Amino acid sequence: EDQVTQSPEALRLQEGESSSLNCSYTVSGLRGLFWYRQDPGKGPEFLFTLYSAGEEKEKERLKATLTKKESFLHITAPKPEDSATYLCAVQPMDDYKLSFGAGTTVTVRA
Amino acid sequence: DAGITQSPRYKITETGRQVTLMCHQTWSHSYMFWYRQDLGHGLRLIYYSAAADITDKGEVPDGYVVSRSKTENFPLTLESATRSQTSVYFCACAGTSNSPLHFGNGTRLTVT
Repeated sequence: EDQVTQSPEALRLQEGESSSLNCSYTVSGLRGLFWYRQDPGKGPEFLFTLYSAGEEKEKERLKATLTKKESFLHITAPKPEDSATYLCAVQPMDDYKLSFGAGTTVTVRA
Repeated sequence: DAGITQSPRYKITETGRQVTLMCHQTWSHSYMFWYRQDLGHGLRLIYYSAAADITDKGEVPDGYVVSRSKTENFPLTLESATRSQTSVYFCACAGTSNSPLHFGNGTRLTVT
């Protein structure tokens, strides 16, 4: 069974204080690893897809990286608008369903 | 409006009642999904579908029924609601088997 573990559960940052979120996964052949952002009362919003170890993707202050066992979401010089829950999901090679981690809730204080 | 919409946005029902949550998408995407989100568990897959008339069980299907007679609709029915089914339910769709999922804004269901 595919497993996704995210840490920490919650992260409180000062504006400008860079940090990283971790997503550890176990899957029988990875088709893709997905990062989503979720704001309160809304559905998750797609950020990145990573397909192979060593791959990196960037969007504004966010950068996602992938190894064979984990992915990191780096937040550089965060702003209050980066406050959200960040979700990681994996898709196995032999299916199209996504299995999600429980998420990391990031709060950025001005 | 283009996109994926869920209805109702909020629903309160009593234990034992049948309730149907609606999901409609305007992209004609083949793949559709139902997840529930609970504190401490994250998003858990209930049912998913690759096309009309094709559905598969996810991680937590017990007590739920789905149908997919049309590509654009994927209703989720709780046959006899229980308090443990109090949750936020999200519907999602994707155009191909490895495309990112597009999510609706959820239905918050309370079973009393």
